[in-house]
Amino acid sequence: AQSVTQLDSQVPVFEEAPVELRCNYSSSVSVYLFWYVQYPNQGLQLLLKYLSGSTLVESINGFEAEFNKSQTSFHLRKPSVHISDTAEYFCAVSSNNFNKFYFGSGTKLNV
Amino acid sequence: DGGITQSPKYLFRKEGQNVTLSCEQNLNHDAMYWYRQDPGQGLRLIYYSQIVNDFQKGDIAEGYSVSREKKESFPLTVTSAQKNPTAFYLCASSTGLAGGIAGELFFGEGSRLTVL
Repeated sequence: AQSVTQLDSQVPVFEEAPVELRCNYSSSVSVYLFWYVQYPNQGLQLLLKYLSGSTLVESINGFEAEFNKSQTSFHLRKPSVHISDTAEYFCAVSSNNFNKFYFGSGTKLNV
Repeated sequence: DGGITQSPKYLFRKEGQNVTLSCEQNLNHDAMYWYRQDPGQGLRLIYYSQIVNDFQKGDIAEGYSVSREKKESFPLTVTSAQKNPTAFYLCASSTGLAGGIAGELFFGEGSRLTVL
């Protein structure tokens, strides 16, 4: 079975400050990891993903996440946030065995 | 442009009535999904389909039904058996197991159902 834990339900941060949104997962098989962003009353949009290769992945708008297999984590970071980053962020995990996606409970980033 | 269209965006229904939410995609994706979103609970999988004329229950399928008669369409019916149907419903699609890799999910804009 797979599960995703996002410990922080809300993260307040000042504009231009750095931020880290935490994500831990549990899985007995190889996984693929994703971060999605959701603006109010909209669907989710893919922010970045880890499938294989380099453990550090980046998005086009300055976010990055690092896959840490030993700590089963995939934390999302941004060195300097903007007001437009205010949204809810979801971590998700999937495996190629079942083609199902499991989501964390989300973290609301308030800039 | 390619994408996923959900309708209606907002829906009000009386308790005890069935309601069907539409989901159409023109991305030529094999797999489609329905999720339910409640505040503070993330997304929970209702049903998913990896191929036409086949679908599987997710974690919270009770009180819901689906069909997959066409590749492009995956409607969800919220029946009167669903105890607490008021929620935000999200439809998604993916390339499925193309190349042996699970492709990411593409989401619609969602449908907000309120049962009065």
